[in-house]
Amino acid sequence: DAGVIQSPRHEVTEMGQEVTLRCKPISGHNSLFWYRQTMMRGLELLIYFNNNVPIDDSGMPEDRFSAKMPNASFSTLKIQPSEPRDSAVYFCASRPSGGVDTQYFGPGTRLTVL
Amino acid sequence: TQLLEQSPQFLSIQEGENLTVYCNSSSVFSSLQWYRQEPGEGPVLLVTVVTGGEVKKLKRLTFQFGDARKDSSLHITAAQPGDTGLYLCAGPFGSGTYKYIFGTGTRLKVLA
Repeated sequence: DAGVIQSPRHEVTEMGQEVTLRCKPISGHNSLFWYRQTMMRGLELLIYFNNNVPIDDSGMPEDRFSAKMPNASFSTLKIQPSEPRDSAVYFCASRPSGGVDTQYFGPGTRLTVL
Repeated sequence: TQLLEQSPQFLSIQEGENLTVYCNSSSVFSSLQWYRQEPGEGPVLLVTVVTGGEVKKLKRLTFQFGDARKDSSLHITAAQPGDTGLYLCAGPFGSGTYKYIFGTGTRLKVLA
């Protein structure tokens, strides 16, 4: 079975550019999470979707960050405009319904903003 | 604010040695999870402990949840190079069942 798929795996961009990260959750999972991982702050939850609806976006750093989930099989995280401090590894994770307490992480997108 | 402090931060050992890493908090958690993250990959769940004092074994890995549910440990017996990675503990916080706070991590390197 395919796990969580993220693209691109690596992104290098210049400050001020728009960046879009993509995620395809595991089929049948109804919860989706976006995380950011840095050496300084570790792994932080940015936003949580349940049944395609954003439930908690309190972890989104600022208005430059936005996330969408137009259907059950696709989500995007957009940064506009990007800044060097946004450089990090961004992970998408999905979780099945039924109270199962296991999140399945994708391989991540390593973002470098110059 | 709930925090999960892990120690040691870095650990480099020879193949065959035993090791223990720790996850500590001043707060009580209903459960704690342990993940392993290999370079270039996302974290993978190893185990969830839910009862104070609980011990779970996964081959050469032994996980323990503290009696007061404020801390947990991971013991690896006869470490192998394949155990190399970042070990993260995580616990739920907040009113929902989806928010997890992750620990600071222990980066383990096992030398052949």
